[in-house]
Amino acid sequence: GAVVSQHPSRVICKSGTSVKIECRSLDFQATTMFWYRQFPKQSLMLMATSNEGSKATYEQGVEKDKFLINHASLTLSTLTVTSAHPEDSSFYICSARKGVAQETQYFGPGTRLLVL
Amino acid sequence: GESVGLHLPTLSVQEGDNSIINCAYSNSASDYFIWYKQESGKGPQFIIDIRSNMDKRQGQRVTVLLNKTVKHLSLQIAATQPGDSAVYFCAETADNDYKLSFGAGTTVTVRA
Repeated sequence: GAVVSQHPSRVICKSGTSVKIECRSLDFQATTMFWYRQFPKQSLMLMATSNEGSKATYEQGVEKDKFLINHASLTLSTLTVTSAHPEDSSFYICSARKGVAQETQYFGPGTRLLVL
Repeated sequence: GESVGLHLPTLSVQEGDNSIINCAYSNSASDYFIWYKQESGKGPQFIIDIRSNMDKRQGQRVTVLLNKTVKHLSLQIAATQPGDSAVYFCAETADNDYKLSFGAGTTVTVRA
């Protein structure tokens, strides 16, 4: 199998606070993880690519200082939304690529963030 | 810009009938395509994939067809069941960095 978990599944926070979301590959090592954001009734938008042991690569228009990504091990990547504002409310989904040669990405269950 | 898109945003199908979901892509360099199913409040679930050197691939109750000439991808679901109700996304990648570009998604509703 290829199971990816995310924690927390839901989080509500006050505007101005920071929120950390964890993404774990449970039964495989993931050299690359990806972070997506999805607004209601819209598609997934890639935010950044996270490589173990190196800096994340951010997509155009995504603020790296606002969305901090750390890929500390082959099974864990974290996304921290710093100084969150209501417009950051969204569904955040991570995925992990299994192995170096395989292109298939396995997705986590997502984290619903609501910023009040 | 180049993107992956879908022809129809919604599809209503009678239980037991076959479903066909279409996807158009414009990046001629795309060489790997994937269909994902996303249920409400959940992450995308891998359904089936196909490489550009193939034109058809079958799985359990699902078939993906690829027409590179017209840059068209389709997902066929046989004997559609209520559990198939979800949003279906096609995704493509063309680069070695394995970044996926997702289409807009088609909402499939199965009528009992």
